[in-house]
Order: sequence, then structure tokens, then C-alpha cells
Amino acid sequence: GNSVTQMEGPVTLSEEAFLTINCTYTATGYPSLFWYVQYPGEGLQLLLKATKADDKGSNKGFEATYRKETTSFHLEKGSVQVSDSAVYFCALTRYYGNNRLAFGKGNQVVVIP
Amino acid sequence: KAGVTQTPRYLIKTRGQQVTLSCSPISGHRSVSWYQQTPGQGLQFLFEYFSETQRNKGNFPGRFSGRQFSNSRSEMNVSTLELGDSALYLCASSLSSGGFTDTQYFGPGTRLTVL
Repeated sequence: GNSVTQMEGPVTLSEEAFLTINCTYTATGYPSLFWYVQYPGEGLQLLLKATKADDKGSNKGFEATYRKETTSFHLEKGSVQVSDSAVYFCALTRYYGNNRLAFGKGNQVVVIP
Repeated sequence: KAGVTQTPRYLIKTRGQQVTLSCSPISGHRSVSWYQQTPGQGLQFLFEYFSETQRNKGNFPGRFSGRQFSNSRSEMNVSTLELGDSALYLCASSLSSGGFTDTQYFGPGTRLTVL
């Protein structure tokens, strides 16, 4: 079936540090890939998406590239701020137009001033 | 434009009871999906409704059901509550106008606690 794997454990880093969160997926066909962010006490917000191989999604300084050859969609940000502290989820849908999201377990990111 | 709203925000029930949660999508959105979020299982897809019809269904027992009204508002119902049903229930809406991946917008969720 379709699944998403995120690296284990929380990520703690200092302000202005470089952030990478790994995401790999298993899916048949041509899934669409997403990163969602969840702030404390809130629902999920779409951070960025990519719908085909080699697409790069970007938003608010975050970037991720759809790599079909490595089945990956790693999230990166060059210089994090305290306000980036949140839980980040990688997700996929099986195909274009399908709304059924399969999520990874999520990574808690804590940015220390 | 108002976002996705969910009511109630918090709910406490006891085992064996039933519960109904409500979701109002963004105006004009026709698709509503429901997700369960727990610390152990993470985010899991429950079902999706589009134009009052269930279009997708996740792997949950029949105690979990839903429906969508003609104004796209949706409700989900859980009967015979179990302790393991304690979770944050998230609703998401999208335009879903056909053929391409819409952005799904999530509500703040309903926190259900089963005692």
C-alpha cells in the first residue's frame, strides 16, 4: 500500500541553523507529495506540495524536491526561527485528484533562541 | 473567507455512548474528509464525502460513519465509544473540482476524550 516514513524523534536546533527533515515514501504510480505543519492547538496547514517528479515545492523559506529515483521528499530550510517550532508531517495522495492523504508520523521541531 | 470550522472543539464522553461531530467547509468547497489523530497511530484517514456521497473510506470499523448535507456541511458519528476512540478528529475541505490535486484546508479539530 501507500505509506510515508519520516525520520524518528524530535529535532532540536538553534535559531538560524539549517533544518532537514527526511521523508521517504512507498507508492504505486505517481503520487502527489505534501508537507503539512501543525502548530500547538491547531489543525494542519499545507506548507508546500509537489505533484510530479523533479518538482520543487517552496513556501516561507522551506523547500522540498520530489525525487522519484530515491522516493524521497526531504524538507529543508536554510535558517530557522523560533516561530518555526511545530510538528511537520510528510504526506502523499495516491494520484492527482485523490484527496485521501497518507501521513508520516510527524517530527516535532523545537528551535531554541 | 472563513476557514473550516468544527464543532464542538472539546468533548468528553463515556464508554458505550455515541457522539456526533460537525464540520463546516470553506464556502464553495464540495469535498470534506475526516481524519483521526492519536499519539500512537498518528494521522489516519477515515472517509471523504463529495456531493453528499462517500467517495473514499479508510480502514475503520462500522462504528464510524459520516454523512454530508446538500450545503456540503458534514457530520461524523461514532457509536458505542471505546477508550481507544479518544483522539483529535480533523476535518479537511477542498474544492475538488475534478482532475487535479486541490489543496486541502484543515479545521482546528475536535478533541474527543472517552472515559
